[in-house]
Amino acid sequence: DTGVSQNPRHKITKRGQNVTFRCDPISEHNRLYWYRQTLGQGPEFLTYFQNEAQLEKSRLLSDRFSAERPKGSFSTLEIQRTEQGDSAMYLCASSAYRGGGNQPQHFGDGTRLSIL
Amino acid sequence: GEDVEQSLFLSVREGDSSVINCTYTDSSSTYLYWYKQEPGAGLQLLTYIFSNMDMKQDQRLTVLLNKKDKHLSLRIADTQTGDSAIYFCAESINRGGTASKLTFGTGTRLQVTL
Repeated sequence: DTGVSQNPRHKITKRGQNVTFRCDPISEHNRLYWYRQTLGQGPEFLTYFQNEAQLEKSRLLSDRFSAERPKGSFSTLEIQRTEQGDSAMYLCASSAYRGGGNQPQHFGDGTRLSIL
Repeated sequence: GEDVEQSLFLSVREGDSSVINCTYTDSSSTYLYWYKQEPGAGLQLLTYIFSNMDMKQDQRLTVLLNKKDKHLSLRIADTQTGDSAIYFCAESINRGGTASKLTFGTGTRLQVTL
């Protein structure tokens, strides 16, 4: 299966700790997106990359959040000094951008973060 | 602004048709999507429609788009128990010649009863 892969699936940590999530997109996809989904809500956009360039960041992405995609393949999302409000499902998606039109985004199964 | 709204819950009997509705506000929407989410899982792309189309059919799924009223619907024919899930409507807006992030509704929980 060559879908979007996210690790870990679940992360439980104490408030104040740092956490890092990894996303491996579909191999031929040049765009990679991060979303956050809280209980009972739809996903909310956080940021996206085209190849290694981070092209847009949401105001939801506070200074404690940082995302990277150093070689244009996998991406990491780090949250520093975690807070209770960071508890959510973090979803990664990828798509193929071919200039002038966008292909649908395909999602991974997410990383569920629980802050104790 | 960007806002997508859906009803929260729909219950149908197995074998009946389900119709899930969605309204959106941004007239710049380029593509509109339907995703399915089962418990504890990510989002599965079901179908999508380009904003210059009125209808798209894919096996048991029919998408209708009324651009004037900014209304999108998903019809599932012969609904099965395996269709029980949360269904999200999402819009992708063309800004500066490219469509990027998705804006999602809050999701409609579909319950299929025997």
